[in-house]
Amino acid sequence: GQQLNQSPQSMFIQEGEDVSMNCTSSSIFNTWLWYKQDPGEGPVLLIALYKAGELTSNGRLTAQFGITRKDSFLNISASIPSDVGIYFCAGRNAGKSTFGDGTTLTVKP
Amino acid sequence: GAVVSQHPSRVICKSGTSVKIECRSLDFQATTMFWYRQFPKQSLMLMATSNEGSKATYEQGVEKDKFLINHASLTLSTLTVTSAHPEDSSFYICSATGTSGGSSYNEQFFGPGTRLTVL
Repeated sequence: GQQLNQSPQSMFIQEGEDVSMNCTSSSIFNTWLWYKQDPGEGPVLLIALYKAGELTSNGRLTAQFGITRKDSFLNISASIPSDVGIYFCAGRNAGKSTFGDGTTLTVKP
Repeated sequence: GAVVSQHPSRVICKSGTSVKIECRSLDFQATTMFWYRQFPKQSLMLMATSNEGSKATYEQGVEKDKFLINHASLTLSTLTVTSAHPEDSSFYICSATGTSGGSSYNEQFFGPGTRLTVL
């Protein structure tokens, strides 16, 4: 089946630093989604990408849909303590989503 | 974005009892609902996918007689954990996709999750 490789698995950064995480796959996806999950909560959709090459921002977050349609990255600029959580990427085809294993982000004040 | 609610948020039950978890789409018609299970510090594990009015499709290794899924309406799906045991303790999250105002969503929206503890 389709699999996603999400990296890094975890990140420990200082408040104010920029963060970058990515997902790669051997399969092509038509849609890429990025979610954030706070402890004890369900994932919340951050950014949705629909076209190869698309670059989309949501506040301090920027995500791109790779040209090959096999990868996507998420950047967070000027991190703040409330950015802590687990970030999941998801590739979507024909109504089915494949999720990465998540990137756990810790931000030190 | 679309809103998905889940109830209850937490449940503690005795071993051998059954527990029902409800998942509702509040402002859209959920044509497809997904149920996930998540262990601490791990990723989302898809348990089953259900289309409204149809039987759920279970992932390999998920017991359909243990985890009963009903998706009888476009706004409600339920997951019943039958004869729950301590190893069923986990975080259960529903997700949905569907339509609103004639437009289809191409994203999945998640509920807030249900923490099940079986004593």
